[in-house]
Amino acid sequence: LAKTTQPISMDSYEGQEVNITCSHNNIATNDYITWYQQFPSQGPRFIIQGYKTKVTNEVASLFIPADRKSSTLSLPRVSLSDTAVYYCLFTGGGNKLTFGTGTQLKVEL
Amino acid sequence: EPEVTQTPSHQVTQMGQEVILRCVPISNHLYFYWYRQILGQKVEFLVSFYNNEISEKSEIFDDQFSVERPDGSNFTLKIRSTKLEDSAMYFCASSEGLFEGQGNTEAFFGQGTRLTVV
Repeated sequence: LAKTTQPISMDSYEGQEVNITCSHNNIATNDYITWYQQFPSQGPRFIIQGYKTKVTNEVASLFIPADRKSSTLSLPRVSLSDTAVYYCLFTGGGNKLTFGTGTQLKVEL
Repeated sequence: EPEVTQTPSHQVTQMGQEVILRCVPISNHLYFYWYRQILGQKVEFLVSFYNNEISEKSEIFDDQFSVERPDGSNFTLKIRSTKLEDSAMYFCASSEGLFEGQGNTEAFFGQGTRLTVV
């Protein structure tokens, strides 16, 4: 089973760009990389998904190198409301999501 | 924006009692899930449900747990005889399709039911 490794926590200040990197050395060919966000006492929320290269949407960008052994979630100009836990997951067939411990991002003024 | 709704938001029950947690998934979704999160721990998969049957379950989902889709809109999780260690946040989720990475198949989670067993 493919496993992800992320930093346990990160601190940032408002207005800065935050990059959270996830390692996944044994990613399978059919796995997509997906990121979810979770605020305290709320359910996880989908942020972005990609297979390789770069994907951008209205809230984030996802960078995946050619070897796909890592991925980086980039949050431009974070605000206090981006303080949350961010999870890197695989979605590659099957019908469940496996969450790791995630990265607790804390944004301060 | 469509959303998954869960009721109640908080339930307190005595050990040994049965509880039913309710969820209304997004109307055109076909796959339904229950997850739980013990305070301070990670989100854990319990069960997935498709076409009126369980498609996958974790080892947490033992004989004390059951799921049902009693009508066209509700999806329920029943815990027959609650234990102290069942205290957790329970999240219902739904998705249009399987997580096969085609397009942006995502799971939509509800706000959760906080279950406290005393």
